[in-house]
Amino acid sequence: GAVVSQHPSRVICKSGTSVKIECRSLDFQATTMFWYRQFPKQSLMLMATSNEGSKATYEQGVEKDKFLINHASLTLSTLTVTSAHPEDSSFYICSGYEMGLDGYTFGSGTRLTVV
Amino acid sequence: AQSVTQLGSHVSVSEGALVLLRCNYSSSVPPYLFWYVQYPNQGLQLLLKYTSAATLVKGINGFEAEFKKSETSFHLTKPSAHMSDAAEYFCAVSGGATNKLIFGTGTLLAVQP
Repeated sequence: GAVVSQHPSRVICKSGTSVKIECRSLDFQATTMFWYRQFPKQSLMLMATSNEGSKATYEQGVEKDKFLINHASLTLSTLTVTSAHPEDSSFYICSGYEMGLDGYTFGSGTRLTVV
Repeated sequence: AQSVTQLGSHVSVSEGALVLLRCNYSSSVPPYLFWYVQYPNQGLQLLLKYTSAATLVKGINGFEAEFKKSETSFHLTKPSAHMSDAAEYFCAVSGGATNKLIFGTGTLLAVQP
């Protein structure tokens, strides 16, 4: 079945640095990639929607300059957390969607810790 | 706008007992509805989905859910709980042009021996 490979699974970075998270769709073409963040013991909050070849659409309250999303191809989308701060520490999950399918394929998540 | 409400952030059942996790949705367009399970520090696993076909949907691991339009509900059930069912369960809804998948707040299921 469809798989989304998400890397890294865990990352620790220093405050003020940037971190890139990659999601690759295997065996299908993700026309749309959704990015979520999940705080401990909370639900998944949609951050942004990216369509291949176009700018991402961010949800209200999400800083687009801080969370840079690139979706340059149908199989790769990246989220870069710029100038990370401890409050950005969270679990980030991507989800690939292909038109014509009725489901969403999730990556395994990235645990980001900013120290 | 679409949303889902999960009643009960924590549910505890005995092993072998019926599992019932509640989900109500709100949608201005015909919804697609999903149930996912998440184990600690892991991603999401799809249990089942409703996509306008049969209203009673059977999923993996013995779970099923029934879409009831009149009640705007999509409750998840399993006849007999197993210890391995202990996890966080999320109901989600999508539909419309953006295909956004919106999650409920989750229900933590505990299974007592």
